[in-house]
Amino acid sequence: ELKVEQNPLFLSMQEGKNYTIYCNYSTTSDRLYWYRQDPGKSLESLFVLLSNGAVKQEGRLMASLDTKARLSTLHITAAVHDLSATYFCAVDILHRVKSGAGSYQLTFGKGTKLSVIP
Amino acid sequence: DVKVTQSSRYLVKRTGEKVFLECVQDMDHENMFWYRQDPGLGLRLIYFSYDVKMKEKGDIPEGYSVSREKKERFSLILESASTNQTSMYLCASSDRDFFGYTFGSGTRLTVV
Repeated sequence: ELKVEQNPLFLSMQEGKNYTIYCNYSTTSDRLYWYRQDPGKSLESLFVLLSNGAVKQEGRLMASLDTKARLSTLHITAAVHDLSATYFCAVDILHRVKSGAGSYQLTFGKGTKLSVIP
Repeated sequence: DVKVTQSSRYLVKRTGEKVFLECVQDMDHENMFWYRQDPGLGLRLIYFSYDVKMKEKGDIPEGYSVSREKKERFSLILESASTNQTSMYLCASSDRDFFGYTFGSGTRLTVV
């Protein structure tokens, strides 16, 4: 059974500081997603990481993937209040369905609730 | 803009009622998914469908069923709602290659 573990689950950080959220997973995968969720809202896709060594950056967020270590990181640089949200990593695993075809299933971590305080 | 639309944002139902949650996507995606989200547990997969009339159980299918009669629509059915099914339900779709998932805005279901 695939396990996806995020840490920390709660993160309170001051504006301007840097921090990293970690996502470990227990089985081989070459697809990893990061999502953002604001309270009461749906999931917003941040990054899709598809290969070992992949690094993507958008604004103050940078995500990386090490498939050998089964680890992804989401690094926050110079945090601002607008980044306060819950961040989820999710791992895509190929399964075989009844017909014999391949089908991916997305398994989520429990999420990291980030609060950026002035 | 591509969309996954869930018909209800909030629902309140009584214990024992049959409940239908509807999801429609306009991207011609083959694959559709139902997740439930609970505090501290993240998102868990209930059922998914990779083609019309095809369905597969996810991690927590008990107490739920699904229907996919048309490619664009995927329904989640609670045959007899119970209070432990109070949750946020999220629908998602992805293309044939499962590259990228688009989520709906969610249905917050309360069973009283």
